[in-house]
Amino acid sequence: DVKVTQSSRYLVKRTGEKVFLECVQDMDHENMFWYRQDPGLGLRLIYFSYDVKMKEKGDIPEGYSVSREKKERFSLILESASTNQTSMYLCASSRLILNTEAFFGQGTRLTVV
Amino acid sequence: QKEVEQNSGPLSVPEGAIASLNCTYSDRGSQSFFWYRQYSGKSPELIMFIYSNGDKEDGRFTAQLNKASQYVSLLIRDSQPSDSATYLCAVNNAGKSTFGDGTTLTVKP
Repeated sequence: DVKVTQSSRYLVKRTGEKVFLECVQDMDHENMFWYRQDPGLGLRLIYFSYDVKMKEKGDIPEGYSVSREKKERFSLILESASTNQTSMYLCASSRLILNTEAFFGQGTRLTVV
Repeated sequence: QKEVEQNSGPLSVPEGAIASLNCTYSDRGSQSFFWYRQYSGKSPELIMFIYSNGDKEDGRFTAQLNKASQYVSLLIRDSQPSDSATYLCAVNNAGKSTFGDGTTLTVKP
């Protein structure tokens, strides 16, 4: 079974803190993605990566950065957390072959106070 | 206009009925189409994918695709209470998926 594991299920951080969300997949997938999910707004793509050290902006990259130093690990960084970044964050991975399904991690519920 | 639009919910059907979920998309270059199911508090999981025009059946689920009309649907036959969830339509182009907001389905016993 494909496994995508996010480091935390719940996080509470203070405004202005630097926040790291970690994601690891064990299926040797080339593609990795970070989404946030908010009621009424659906799943929105923040950043994605097709390969180690490569990254592409998604639809809402502002206030976020990412790091992919190893194929299996994709980190999302909130440089200075703000209350409007309170959300559910979902990591996903997929094979490089185009148009294949994405496998999701269990999600991290981040609350910024 | 959103890139991927799903029929507004919530949708409620009685147990044993057919549930019909619809999705339209704007990107004509889209190459593959997915339906994910998301239970409350859980992450999305894939239930169907379709690449070619026509119907694709898998057990109680049928996905339908019409690229000319930019329309994809999911039919759930013999709906069960365990089908109660939010269903997300995803449209993929060049490896990147865009999701609809989801339709919440409730199947009443």
